[in-house]
Formats: sequence, C-alpha cells, structure tokens
Amino acid sequence: QVQLQESGPGLVKPSQTLSLTCTVSGGSISSGGYYWSWIRQHPGKGLEWIGYIYYSGNTYYNPSLKSRVTISLDTSKNQFSLKLRSVTAADTAVYYCARDRSYYDSSGDYRYFDYWGQGTLVTVSS
Amino acid sequence: QSVLTQPPSASGTPEQRVTISCSGSISNIGSNIVNWYQQLPGTAPKLLIYSNNQRPSGVPDRFSGSKSGTSASLAISGLQSEDEADYYCAAWDDSLNGYVFGTGTKVTVL
Repeated sequence: QVQLQESGPGLVKPSQTLSLTCTVSGGSISSGGYYWSWIRQHPGKGLEWIGYIYYSGNTYYNPSLKSRVTISLDTSKNQFSLKLRSVTAADTAVYYCARDRSYYDSSGDYRYFDYWGQGTLVTVSS
Repeated sequence: QSVLTQPPSASGTPEQRVTISCSGSISNIGSNIVNWYQQLPGTAPKLLIYSNNQRPSGVPDRFSGSKSGTSASLAISGLQSEDEADYYCAAWDDSLNGYVFGTGTKVTVL
C-alpha cells in the first residue's frame, strides 16, 4: 500500500520561502508512469494544482505559480519537495502531496491522482 | 483558479438520486478525461471516478460518472449518510497547461 506523508514548518513568515517534503512509502519514486504532485487547498475553498515532477526530473508547474515554485526529487530518500518563494498570506493553505498515475491500455489513456498525503496546514503570518 | 464550474451544493434524502454537474470548455473537459474526487470532512480527497466513468476498486457502484462535450456529471444513486462530503471534478487543461479542478459541490443528506 502506497503512503505519502507531508512534513515541514506549519508557520512561515511573509516574504520567506515555504518548504515542504513528501515522503513516499510502499512504492518507489523512481518508477515510471507516476508524476509526483503538490496540490493546495485554501481554508474553506477548493483545490489548486501546484505542479508535478516526474522520476526523470522533468517538472511542470501551474502557470499562476510558476515564477515562485520549485519541485525537486530525492530518490535516495524516496522523497520529493516543494519550495514556494516570496509567500504572502494568500499562500496560507493545506498542502497535499499526491501521486499522479498515468498509463494506457487497450481501452484508452488514464491519468488520475490515486494516492494522497493527509495534508499539512501552512500558515503565512508574521 | 477553478475553471470548472460546479453547483455549490446538492442535497437529498437517503436512497434518493443526486446529480452533480461539472461545466468546462473545449480545452479541458472537451479534450481530456474527467476524474472525480470525494473529500470527507477533515480528510484528504479520495479518487471516486476516473476516466469519465470508471470506478476504482472499493468504490460503491451507486457512484457513476458521465461526460458529454464540455460537461461531466457525477451521480449518486441511493444516497447514504456517509456520502456527505465535498465532491470535485478535475481535468487537464490544454490552454493552461495544467490540471484544473472544479469549484466543488457540498452534498448534504437530509
């Protein structure tokens, strides 16, 4: 059973960098066919995709956050990380890491978030 | 920045049928598959429907999905109290070059 667990500071000061790590267990982060993603949810609001990284190191970011976001892999620790620079109160949210599975068979292409971490609340405040 | 529009709420009595719509555009739902996620209070989202109408193992068959053109729907037949949750549609958007989620629908069992 694949499990994901977010970790990192719950409080970040404005203008600083938010840093979170997602530890994956029960599966290798180096396996093909999986994109390792970050998604956030502002308090009482909907879901917002932040970006993902593939095992090859290729990344893809939400255009609205691209200038401030970096997602990286540490295959030796089976972890991937999120850095969000120059944060403001608008970045206060629950941050989730998730596995984005992609595959195809005779019936077609499939892609979906099949495993999620429990989420971690990050508050931006001085 | 939700570009998929859902009704904010839906409700029904036990055993009733509830339908949730998800409206998008040619660049997202019109061109790509739709997935649905269920978020129970205080928990992470969980995959409910993938590839428009497929149920993962363990998801009750009272949940079903469909897609037509630039819209998708999630139906819950035989509503149960444990179905009280927020539901989100999601799809890749070719114009934004990223995933987009629906605005979310809160389902209440009366």
